[in-house]
Amino acid sequence: NAGVTQTPKFQVLKTGQSMTLQCAQDMNHEYMSWYRQDPGMGLRLIHYSVGAGITDQGEVPNGYNVSRSTTEDFPLRLLSAAPSQTSVYFCASSWGQTNEKLFFGSGTQLSVL
Amino acid sequence: QQQVKQSPQSLIVQKGGISIINCAYENTAFDYFPWYQQFPGKGPALLIAIRPDVSEKKEGRFTISFNKSAKQFSLHIMDSQPGDSATYFCAARRAQKLVFGQGTRLTINP
Repeated sequence: NAGVTQTPKFQVLKTGQSMTLQCAQDMNHEYMSWYRQDPGMGLRLIHYSVGAGITDQGEVPNGYNVSRSTTEDFPLRLLSAAPSQTSVYFCASSWGQTNEKLFFGSGTQLSVL
Repeated sequence: QQQVKQSPQSLIVQKGGISIINCAYENTAFDYFPWYQQFPGKGPALLIAIRPDVSEKKEGRFTISFNKSAKQFSLHIMDSQPGDSATYFCAARRAQKLVFGQGTRLTINP
């Protein structure tokens, strides 16, 4: 099993550009989520989903959109990138509709210039 | 506003010693408290977790101590090894949201 796969691993954007971070899991997990990791801030929840067609906001949702059309995929969209969105982004999934054991991807390092 | 406060930010322990990382929270609606371990360049991985109706949970060299009245919990790593060098995050769950602490960078000196 591949687990949670994130692409790309690295990305550099210019302010105002848009892009989509991809996340796919092959464990048939219902729960999927996106976190950003910044020094001294820990991991902060951006958006999460408890199943296909269901999404909700986390702590820091502004500037990000998500959708969940299949159980496997949970893409994160940056509509108009800003330097404040420079961060490492992690996708995570877990069984059922809870988040008792999150399986994390290896992350996407994003720089916005 | 940090809902889960973690300390210290960094910690250096000698091999064989005990590593202790502390976390505090305010929201009594939290119902699950996991600890995650993260190695450089990797995503975090679940290490151990506890529910608030239990005061202590032990798995091998790792122990969580939980003080519900004080709204504090801590991770103890006994007989710390160089391979334990990593960043550790405490977290707390309310409904379907998991809130993480700021992280502790642990270094075990050989």
